[in-house]
Amino acid sequence: DIVMTQSPESLAVSLGERATINCKSSQSVLFSSDNKNYLAWYQQRPGQPPKLLISWASTRESGVPDRFSGSGSGTDFTLTISSLQAEDVAVYYCQQYYNTPRTFGQGTKVEIK
Amino acid sequence: QVQLQESGPGLLKPSQTLSLTCTVSGGSISSGGYYWSWIRQHPGKGLEWIGFIYISGTTYYNPSLKSRPTISLDTSKNRFSLKLSSVTAADTAVYYCARATGGVLPQGAFNLWGQGILVTVSS
Repeated sequence: DIVMTQSPESLAVSLGERATINCKSSQSVLFSSDNKNYLAWYQQRPGQPPKLLISWASTRESGVPDRFSGSGSGTDFTLTISSLQAEDVAVYYCQQYYNTPRTFGQGTKVEIK
Repeated sequence: QVQLQESGPGLLKPSQTLSLTCTVSGGSISSGGYYWSWIRQHPGKGLEWIGFIYISGTTYYNPSLKSRPTISLDTSKNRFSLKLSSVTAADTAVYYCARATGGVLPQGAFNLWGQGILVTVSS
C-alpha cells in the first residue's frame, strides 16, 4: 500500500495569512505514461463530507477559490492557502489514486489563530 | 446535478451484516465513466477506502477488510450497495458513498460524495 503522510497534523494561521500543508507518499504517484501525478486534495468542514479541491496534484476543481493551489511531483506535494479565510477552517486530506488500495493522509486541521 | 444519498440501518449488533445503499439522482449509474465507491471514516479519524465498482461489474476492494465487503450495482433502481459481513465495534464509522472517474481502469479522484451515514455496531 502507498502510505500518505501529512505534516503538520494541525496549524493555526491568522486570517489573511498563508497556510501550507505537506503530503509525502511512500512511493512515487507520478505515472510515466501520461506524466501525471495521481494525487488529490480534499477539504472536510465540520459535519460535512470531504470535498475535492484539487486533482492531478495541481488542477483546481471548478468553483474552488484560486487562493487554493497544489504543487509538487513524485512523492512530495503541497497544498497552499494563500490568504486564509474563516470558511477555510477544516481538515485537509491528501489522497493517492495511483493504485489500489486508494489511501489518504491522516489529515491536517487548519484553524484560525 | 448528480447527487448521492446513503441509506440503511444505523445500528447493528456484532456479527451481523452491514447493508447500505447509495441512491444516485440527477444522472444514470449506467452511463459509464465512473467508479461507484464506498469510503468510511471512524469517529474523529481519517478516511478509509472500502472499494468501488464499475458498470461492467468489475470491483476493487481494500485488502485490509479481508474479503468482508461486497459492492453491487442495481441499474434498474439507479443505485449501488455495500454489504460488510461479520461486523464488530471496529466497523463503527460514518460511511460515505462517492464517485470517482475512470474507464477501463479507475483513474480519478473522488469528485462527488454523499452526506454520509453513521453506522454504530454495539451489542
